[in-house]
Amino acid sequence: QVQLVQSGPEVRKTGASVKVSCKASGYTFSSYRISWVRQAPGQGLEWMGWISGYNGNTEYAQKFQGRVTMTTDTSTGTGYMELKNLRSDDTAVYYCARDPESFCGIDCLTNDYWGQGTLVSVS
Amino acid sequence: DIVMTQSPGSLAVSLGERATINCKSSQSVLYSSNNKNYLSWYQQKPGQPPRLLIYWASTRKSGVPDRFSGSGSGTDFTLTVSSLQAEDVAVYYCQQSYDTPRTFGQGTMVEIK
Repeated sequence: QVQLVQSGPEVRKTGASVKVSCKASGYTFSSYRISWVRQAPGQGLEWMGWISGYNGNTEYAQKFQGRVTMTTDTSTGTGYMELKNLRSDDTAVYYCARDPESFCGIDCLTNDYWGQGTLVSVS
Repeated sequence: DIVMTQSPGSLAVSLGERATINCKSSQSVLYSSNNKNYLSWYQQKPGQPPRLLIYWASTRKSGVPDRFSGSGSGTDFTLTVSSLQAEDVAVYYCQQSYDTPRTFGQGTMVEIK
């Protein structure tokens, strides 16, 4: 069965960096991108960007460009999201989800599976 | 960026009654080559990740109760819960996957009246 399992909660001071992992299983890693979505306390969902599981290409939301780096380890089927120069308003739950590559096929759905979320607290 | 606007922001409905949530995109999310609207609906309960309910605007994901339905095309979409159950209390989001950045509506909180 498809699973996305994320790393545990993190606490950081302002100005520091954090790296969150998302281990995928139960599907062909190269057929999907890993998207990262965050949710500040009591707020809505915010798409941060994605990384291709096929070729490692990335696309970041403009808001995060220069501060975020997404990577993958295809040998383990794991995606990573590193956010640098943390501020207090980066305090949020960070989710990974899968988003199909264009070649994946008609049965491949956007965001049909999500990780459990990782709370990052910045103070 | 495609802006997604949901209404209302919150909704209180009696058990067994209909709940209707609207979502409007700032530009069409209808992909002409396959005639599909790249619009999804999610349900999120406290402490849980979002759950995909509806994709391509009107296709229910396997396992989603048939009281949930989606409709609309182009820029205007609706999620309907035909007979609200206690377990449907949640926040509902629309999202477009037509283009990047993938953008979400601001969410609609559904409660029991």
